[in-house]
This record gives sequence, structure tokens and C-alpha cells, in this order.
Amino acid sequence: SQTIHQWPATLVQPVGSPLSLECTVEGTSNPNLYWYRQAAGRGLQLLFYSVGIGQISSEVPQNLSASRPQDRQFILSSKKLLLSDSGFYLCAWSVLGGNTEAFFGQGTRLTVV
Amino acid sequence: SQQGEEDPQALSIQEGENATMNCSYKTSINNLQWYRQNSGRGLVHLILIRSNEREKHSGRLRVTLDTSKKSSSLLITASRAADTASYFCATRGAQKLVFGQGTRLTINP
Repeated sequence: SQTIHQWPATLVQPVGSPLSLECTVEGTSNPNLYWYRQAAGRGLQLLFYSVGIGQISSEVPQNLSASRPQDRQFILSSKKLLLSDSGFYLCAWSVLGGNTEAFFGQGTRLTVV
Repeated sequence: SQQGEEDPQALSIQEGENATMNCSYKTSINNLQWYRQNSGRGLVHLILIRSNEREKHSGRLRVTLDTSKKSSSLLITASRAADTASYFCATRGAQKLVFGQGTRLTINP
């Protein structure tokens, strides 16, 4: 069966520090991969999505970047965190090219101090 | 924007009552999906309705889709305390899955 792993679960980082959040999927190949951010009590904002290795689409210009170095690995990064980067970050996958549901990781609560 | 918008933002009902949440969107879609999120957790898929479908059932869930009005509704019948969560609609285009702001549902015992 397919599983998605996202870590860490919580993270507290100082302003100006770098960020690396990792997401991996098991049990499937060539998935669509997504990074979302959720502010407290709000909906999900699509940040990046990827349809293949090295193929990244950015939805919102911001202080973050994403990479897909391997088929089932999706990384969210920042060189210098801002206070406004705080939030709940969610990784998800879906079947490539299929109009199917998405499966989410458990999320990372990032607090920038 | 393709983003869905849920209505109401918050809903509080008594256990056993039915809960109805609505979603509106702006562009053409391949399908519309509903998800549930317990506080501080990831989202869990509930039900998917394709653009050529008008109604779909799954257990106590009933979803309708009106593509002419670009709207959908989620009905939860005979609500339980465990249904307390946030519910989101999401619209799928070519590759993206875009979510609305959600409805916070509270079921009072």
C-alpha cells in the first residue's frame, strides 16, 4: 500500500535561518506531488506542485523553493526564513495524470521566532 | 482563481442533526472533492464527484454538484460528536488540486 512520510512534525526556527522539509512517498511511482501551507484556522494555499523529477511549478511567489531530486521525494526549502513563513505545511501526492484524490502527510508545524 | 469557497465558515449543531456545507468555485473542473481535517492533522479524502455526475453517496455523506452554478454541497446525516472537524472542498484542474477556506463543523453532544 502507499504511504507518505513528512517530517519533522514540529519545528521552531529563528528568523534568517534556512529551512528544509522533506516528504517521501512509498508504494507508488511517478506521483504528482504537492506542498501546501495552512495558516491558523484557514484553508490550504498551494505552494508548489510537481509532475516529475526536476519539474516544479510555483503557485505563489515567496521566500520558499521546492525540489524533486528523486521520483518520490519532494523537498521544501528556504535560504532565510521570515516570520511570515510560520504555518502548517502539508505534503500530498496523487496519481499522475489521474483525476483522483490526494493523500496527505501529517504536516509540519513551523514556527519562526 | 479556481479556488473553492465554502459556506458557512463555521457551523455548530446538535448531535443527530444533519449538517450541510456548500462550496462554490470559479472555473471549469474535472472533479470536485471533499476532505476532512481534524485539528492539527493532515487531510483525509472523503468523497469525489466527477464533473458529469450530479449526486453521490458514501455512508452518511451525500454530495451534490451543479456545474451550471459552479457549486457543490456536502450533507452529513445523523451527525455524531466524532464528525467535529474542518471540511474542505477542492477542485481539480489539469494537474492542480486547489482547496477552499473550509467549514469548521462542531457537533454538540
